[in-house]
Amino acid sequence: QVHLVQSGAEVKKPGASVKVSCKASGYSFSSYTIHWVRQAPGQRLEWMGCINAGNGNTEYLQKFQGRVTITRDTSASTAYMELSSLRSEDTAVYYCAREFVDWGQGTLVTVSS
Amino acid sequence: DIQMTQSPSSLSASVGDRVTITCRASQGIRNDLGWYQQKPGKAPKRLIYAASFLQSGVPSRFSGRGSGTEFTLTISSLQPEDFATYYCLQHNSYPLTFGGGTKVEIK
Repeated sequence: QVHLVQSGAEVKKPGASVKVSCKASGYSFSSYTIHWVRQAPGQRLEWMGCINAGNGNTEYLQKFQGRVTITRDTSASTAYMELSSLRSEDTAVYYCAREFVDWGQGTLVTVSS
Repeated sequence: DIQMTQSPSSLSASVGDRVTITCRASQGIRNDLGWYQQKPGKAPKRLIYAASFLQSGVPSRFSGRGSGTEFTLTISSLQPEDFATYYCLQHNSYPLTFGGGTKVEIK
């Protein structure tokens, strides 16, 4: 059975960075793409970017270009999403998803001074 | 970027009602579309993939149709557990884009 387990909630100050992890199990990690999606309170789902876990190729939403970095560690079957220069508008639940079929439980990132 | 316009943004319906939600793409996306159900505090769950294929384990009262620019999700007989927010997602080209969501509430 596929499981994606994300790291715990974070509270960050404006200007800081956050790195969320997504540990996968139950399938061949390198064979699929991991996507990152966020949802601000009461807002729609927003795709942020993705990584081909096999070759490491990434795609990002333009609005995050330069602020978001998605990486993976195939030996640990884990994907990471790092968002820098945080602002209050980045307060959201961040999800990882394997091909949008299997999802992590979500990680709440709160940005507050 | 491909814009996904979803309608209605909310609806009130009764148990047993037939409900239809629509997503329109700003350009053709073939059948590269999925439908997702999200309940409060939970991750989304895929219901439909490739516009019309039912995800394994999803009840057959859910169905999807469409190709190109217009897509629909239909719930043939609304059940109490179906009250949730529904989203479409196009994966035809990057950046991937979600519709704005449809909140299905109890009348």
